[in-house]
Amino acid sequence: SQQGEEDPQALSIQEGENATMNCSYKTSINNLQWYRQNSGRGLVHLILIRSNEREKHSGRLRVTLDTSKKSSSLLITASRAADTASYFCANLRDNYGQNFVFGPGTRLSVLP
Amino acid sequence: DTGVSQDPRHKITKRGQNVTFRCDPISEHNRLYWYRQTLGQGPEFLTYFQNEAQLEKSRLLSDRFSAERPKGSFSTLEIQRTEQGDSAMYLCASSPVGLRGDTQYFGPGTRLTVL
Repeated sequence: SQQGEEDPQALSIQEGENATMNCSYKTSINNLQWYRQNSGRGLVHLILIRSNEREKHSGRLRVTLDTSKKSSSLLITASRAADTASYFCANLRDNYGQNFVFGPGTRLSVLP
Repeated sequence: DTGVSQDPRHKITKRGQNVTFRCDPISEHNRLYWYRQTLGQGPEFLTYFQNEAQLEKSRLLSDRFSAERPKGSFSTLEIQRTEQGDSAMYLCASSPVGLRGDTQYFGPGTRLTVL
């Protein structure tokens, strides 16, 4: 069973607003990654944050990691209609090979 | 640089039939992963290869499922005696050898419908 959880499950915002999605996990991790998936398509990697990092930026994306709370957040600033997609976090558990664990995702709708 | 490709993109089959899917990873990537994704859920790990060696298998990979990567390049996933519960999107991903947990590059997936 999946051990990650994203919150909220669905989010609807207006273009230009910021979107924040949260992810929780249960065991110690090596790293945590965020992916985007447009409807019916494969996943696209957005950003990777390692367990010894606290914050990373990539363009309009900002990811934070709090290992004490076993949680991460993804912030998308100045959202666009093209950001409409499902967003997943995936963690690689420490000492657990290459078995990535994905959460159920947050479905983001950005309204024009 | 071509991405990960999967074939076929869609497969409709009748219960009890066997199906085989193919994944061609990015050419220089040694690692290859298979996932299954059902509607409204995140991908679930099935198995992982490094070169031709199958190093990890999920409990989800029942005896009816088998995956191969004979020459360390393309991979196949076969499902025997399909069941309606096998209906899902099957995703393949690849990554280069490096630090554990390198970025995975996903293919477009094969959508399986079992009638």
